[in-house]
Amino acid sequence: DADVTQTPRNRITKTGKRIMLECSQTKGHDRMYWYRQDPGLGLRLIYYSFDVKDINKGEISDGYSVSRQAQAKFSLSLESAIPNQTALYFCATGAEAENTGELFFGEGSRLTVL
Amino acid sequence: AQSVAQPEDQVNVAEGNPLTVKCTYSVSGNPYLFWYVQYPNRGLQFLLKYITGDNLVKGSYGFEAEFNKSQTSFHLKKPSALVSDSALYFCAVRDNDQGGKLIFGQGTELSVKP
Repeated sequence: DADVTQTPRNRITKTGKRIMLECSQTKGHDRMYWYRQDPGLGLRLIYYSFDVKDINKGEISDGYSVSRQAQAKFSLSLESAIPNQTALYFCATGAEAENTGELFFGEGSRLTVL
Repeated sequence: AQSVAQPEDQVNVAEGNPLTVKCTYSVSGNPYLFWYVQYPNRGLQFLLKYITGDNLVKGSYGFEAEFNKSQTSFHLKKPSALVSDSALYFCAVRDNDQGGKLIFGQGTELSVKP
């Protein structure tokens, strides 16, 4: 089983719908991240969390919200999806103890908003 | 503000030839630098990192990277390319000002032809 699991892997939805992308990890890491990947733009950070009670905005948090339900679970929500949120979304984890920045990524969730 | 730039969208190399994927960075404080690889329909995989010490860092799959402080560069290299090295490569720097999250470049598509 993968250390970082994202569901769903693919989702097609319509403008205005609420969408939740879920991430769970078995690595025991404190830090979890949501990134968005767009062609030619690399990965941009949406939100990150350093523990269950800690949520921080990244560079492109508008239109998104997150919930850290437990150390192992970090979900990303789009309250009212719009077409420019069509992208590949990645969850990642990192270990605070090491604090060197190495991240471990899930396989990605491809979201299409029509 | 921390940033990282990958000046080439695409690099084409013949199998067996050496390859270089370029990366330059801007960071306050000591740079923590990373290379990740993304194969089609997969998440990002860690290749190597520079934290401190020897300027030549060796990583997975025969890749290495050279840290050059005066040129603020961290180019990825491999002496002999394989067709299976074809993938999307991302350079990243740790944001020392904001909790150590990673900032990614836009990615370089490496194509190795037989």
